[in-house]
Amino acid sequence: DQQVKQNSPSLSVQEGRISILNCDYTNSMFDYFLWYKKYPAEGPTFLISISSIKDKNEDGRFTVFLNKSAKHLSLHIVPSQPGDSAVYFCAARASGGYNKLIFGAGTRLAVHP
Amino acid sequence: DGGITQSPKYLFRKEGQNVTLSCEQNLNHDAMYWYRQDPGQGLRLIYYSQIVNDFQKGDIAEGYSVSREKKESFPLTVTSAQKNPTAFYLCASSAWDGNYGYTFGSGTRLTVV
Repeated sequence: DQQVKQNSPSLSVQEGRISILNCDYTNSMFDYFLWYKKYPAEGPTFLISISSIKDKNEDGRFTVFLNKSAKHLSLHIVPSQPGDSAVYFCAARASGGYNKLIFGAGTRLAVHP
Repeated sequence: DGGITQSPKYLFRKEGQNVTLSCEQNLNHDAMYWYRQDPGQGLRLIYYSQIVNDFQKGDIAEGYSVSREKKESFPLTVTSAQKNPTAFYLCASSAWDGNYGYTFGSGTRLTVV
């Protein structure tokens, strides 16, 4: 049973446009959400996070939106750059327990010049 | 510089052999984790450890074993009982200071020949 779902395995966007990556979750006990970026043959690197008490967090070109009622979060990248081409993982942490992150399957973003 | 180091980067194993993947961190993190990545399946948790001399099974622990004798080290052994060991293995660590993000190593690609 996948608690964190990224239903789009891939996304292609033109350079300069907005990239929107989506993530859905089923566990209402998740209290913290993170996005990681991964290049081939490398470990994921932390991108941005959001607490469940907020609905938006912004860091430069990256903004994460959280809709708790819909159990949905999204990552917006504006403007998209070719260097953003990577696999993006959504992750969630359940409150009250170990700091154990549950990851989605990832979305491969390709930004074309 | 603080970080997390995985070795080797590439590993080839004959069927029936046990192999051990190394993971060392100098971030003074209490918790460490092992994930496995297969194409299209995201990151799946194998084992995790919150503290020295303690560890718990993750979602796919069968055929794997770990130890946590030192805070800095969390080696993973892939045993002959693991039926499909060819994958990309990622080690991660995290602190308990309110930042729930993980720091990942660069991964080990294991191939059974």
